[in-house]
This record gives sequence, C-alpha cells and structure tokens, in this order.
Amino acid sequence: DAKTTQPTSMDCAEGRAANLPCNHSTISGNEYVYWYRQIHSQGPQYIIHGLKNNETNEMASLIITEDRKSSTLILPHATLRDTAVYYCIALSNFGNEKLTFGTGTRLTIIP
Amino acid sequence: GAVVSQHPSWVICKSGTSVKIECRSLDFQATTMFWYRQFPKQSLMLMATSNEGSKATYEQGVEKDKFLINHASLTLSTLTVTSAHPEDSSFYICSASPIGYTFGSGTRLTVV
Repeated sequence: DAKTTQPTSMDCAEGRAANLPCNHSTISGNEYVYWYRQIHSQGPQYIIHGLKNNETNEMASLIITEDRKSSTLILPHATLRDTAVYYCIALSNFGNEKLTFGTGTRLTIIP
Repeated sequence: GAVVSQHPSWVICKSGTSVKIECRSLDFQATTMFWYRQFPKQSLMLMATSNEGSKATYEQGVEKDKFLINHASLTLSTLTVTSAHPEDSSFYICSASPIGYTFGSGTRLTVV
C-alpha cells in the first residue's frame, strides 16, 4: 500500500471548516483513500473513502486531486467533538488487507 | 450498521497473571479479525490477523506464545495476554471484516 504523509497536528476554530491534508504521491491506480479518526481512548471510526471522485457523506467531504497524489478531508462545521487523531490510509483491497495506521493528524478544535 | 463489541473495556491485573480480551461481531460474520496495540501518544500497531478456524498470523516482533489469539467462531475472537508484565500495559483494539474494518471500543490493560 502507498505511504501517506500527514501534518502532525492542526488547530481549527469551532464552527469553522477543518481541512486536513494528506499526501499519497505513490498511490497506485487501484488504491482507494480511506479516512478514519480516533477519539481519545476509543477505537477508530470510519469517516469516508474515495478513489478519484470527490465524495461527501453526513460526516465529511473528501477532495482528491486529479492526479490522485493528494487529498483533503473537510469537516464543514467543526465541533469540539471532532477533536481526534485523523488517519489517511491508502488501500486496494478493503476488508481483506491489513489496515496499517501511520501517525495521523491530531486535530484540536478550539472553542 | 456493523457493530463490534469488545470486553472488558478496562482491566487491571497483577504481574504474572493472564488476561483474556473478547471481541465479538454482533450483527455480521467476521471471517477475519485484527488485533492492535496502542501505547500512549502512539499510533495503532497491528499485532496479528486471525482467520476463523485457523491459526493467527502474527506481525514481526509480536510473541505468539505471549499473545494467544483464538478465532473459533465467525463472531468471536479472543486475545489472551499470558504472564502479563507492566510493559504489556497498553490499549488493545480489535477490528473485524469483511464488512469493512469495524473496530471495537478497545480494552485498556494495566498490569501492576
């Protein structure tokens, strides 16, 4: 699976959009980009995934660049409960491959 | 949606004793379960992959005789930390597929 690179930490004001970048310059054509988050002392929670089109669900939006070398997770109206570590993972065979976590981005929502 | 139940949520045990952690898929059959360990301020580290009815596959550096994994049914996998020591104190998390990767809520193990 392709290596992903994320900033170590970010702050965002409550109510504003939180934009979390992820670099995956070596991603292959069959690898999807998955985002998970882990709130303190809980198990990771699935957020969203995409291949090449932008995706949106009730939690977030995922913007993938045309060359697929990077993506941005957008939390449109961040709340204090969005404070967590966010992981970007490139994976080609969801459910059958080992899910390997990098260091992620620690997002802190500021009141 | 898919739910994975993990028990206990926290446990304190004495050094030298064994602790069993259970991971159950409540509304789906989990042919594969993954076990992770997470130390404070670190990311999740995969320990092993277990497939129902077969032996677990351990990641490099994980002692299979210390961390016993049993996946005897399609809805239950257990991790037993044998002869636990303080350095085994950690947050243990399971995950189940094939419905994506649904994670349990984790077990915080403290060995005293």
